[in-house]
Amino acid sequence: EPEVTQTPSHQVTQMGQEVILRCVPISNHLYFYWYRQILGQKVEFLVSFYNNEISEKSEIFDDQFSVERPDGSNFTLKIRSTKLEDSAMYFCASRGGGIEAFFGQGTRLTVV
Amino acid sequence: AQTVTQSQPEMSVQEAETVTLSCTYDTSESDYYLFWYKQPPSRQMILVIRQEAYKQQNATENRFSVNFQKAAKSFSLKISDSQLGDAAMYFCAYRSGETSGSRLTFGEGTQLTVNP
Repeated sequence: EPEVTQTPSHQVTQMGQEVILRCVPISNHLYFYWYRQILGQKVEFLVSFYNNEISEKSEIFDDQFSVERPDGSNFTLKIRSTKLEDSAMYFCASRGGGIEAFFGQGTRLTVV
Repeated sequence: AQTVTQSQPEMSVQEAETVTLSCTYDTSESDYYLFWYKQPPSRQMILVIRQEAYKQQNATENRFSVNFQKAAKSFSLKISDSQLGDAAMYFCAYRSGETSGSRLTFGEGTQLTVNP
């Protein structure tokens, strides 16, 4: 069964460093998303991506964040200068033309 | 903006019993979708059940069913014959059907404990 794959599963980085979280969405899906979940809190939308451009972003998704689909298969989230408060679980999701979005297993980002 | 509210931070149920998790939402749209996601300790997000707002019939997936009350904007999840493996955080979520590619909006979650 096709699935969304995220790497790495856990990343530890120093404050101020850049991180890139990687996702391989399900092939032939059209819509791509990043969500984050701070420990113990609800899942929050960050950004959606369609037709090679951002279609919607939340207020969380400021200039420190960027997304890219560099080669038609990978979908990446970059955080330029990480802060302690960026520590969270980051989920990638993709959706075809149907109703359901499929989530990856998440990347746990720890900023120290 | 749409909002989703889960008023029960924690619930518990005895194995083999039935439990209902509550969810309410606020929207001015008529075309939308509602979902329940399960998040076990692994933190993977697993879709449990979904409901299209235009469908009057409540969705059912094996032991999981919903009570969708569109006028009341309520979308509760019933788990029958609860099993130990049902223990997890459950999130209710909303997605607009009026905007293609629209985001999921999640509630705060309900932590379900299943007691043997």
